[in-house]
Amino acid sequence: GESVGLHLPTLSVQEGDNSIINCAYSNSASDYFIWYKQESGKGPQFIIDIRSNMDKRQGQRVTVLLNKTVKHLSLQIAATQPGDSAVYFCAENNDDYKLSFGAGTTVTVRA
Amino acid sequence: NAGVTQTPKFQVLKTGQSMTLQCAQDMNHNSMYWYRQDPGMGLRLIYYSASEGTTDKGEVPNGYNVSRLNKREFSLRLESAAPSQTSVYFCASSPGTGPFFGQGTRLTVV
Repeated sequence: GESVGLHLPTLSVQEGDNSIINCAYSNSASDYFIWYKQESGKGPQFIIDIRSNMDKRQGQRVTVLLNKTVKHLSLQIAATQPGDSAVYFCAENNDDYKLSFGAGTTVTVRA
Repeated sequence: NAGVTQTPKFQVLKTGQSMTLQCAQDMNHNSMYWYRQDPGMGLRLIYYSASEGTTDKGEVPNGYNVSRLNKREFSLRLESAAPSQTSVYFCASSPGTGPFFGQGTRLTVV
């Protein structure tokens, strides 16, 4: 089956620096991707999404980049804050928003 | 606006017991989902409902049943719980974009 995976399971970032979280996907037919943030004991929180007809999308302090040529997705967080510490998942739309998730990247922000 | 509400938040079952996990959304979304999350892993889809009265199997449906009671509510039932069903269960709903998730039900089967 198709799968979505993240390059690194953990990321340690200095407060104030920019964070980049990467994700590789394998289904070239995927047309929609989402980044979620999950804090301990909570459900995944929608951060930002992007459709396959776009290369870049910006939100508040976050940017998602999509490279369809190499099937790569990234999430950039500007000026990382302690509240950004969480597990980040990329997800790929299979159909009707039935998502396939990667295993996640744990981001730890150092003060 | 509560979003997606799941009950209970925690549950311990003995092997062979049955229970129903409840989920309700107040966002008027058509699509609803049940996922499970195991330690160190992403979420896996159990069942899906595109609209009231319709349900469809996801990636890991064995051992589960669902009911889409109305547009708001989508329940997940374990008829005979097994230790392999120990997990955190998340309900979600979608307005036609990325689903929004509830806070989860942490289920332990002993």
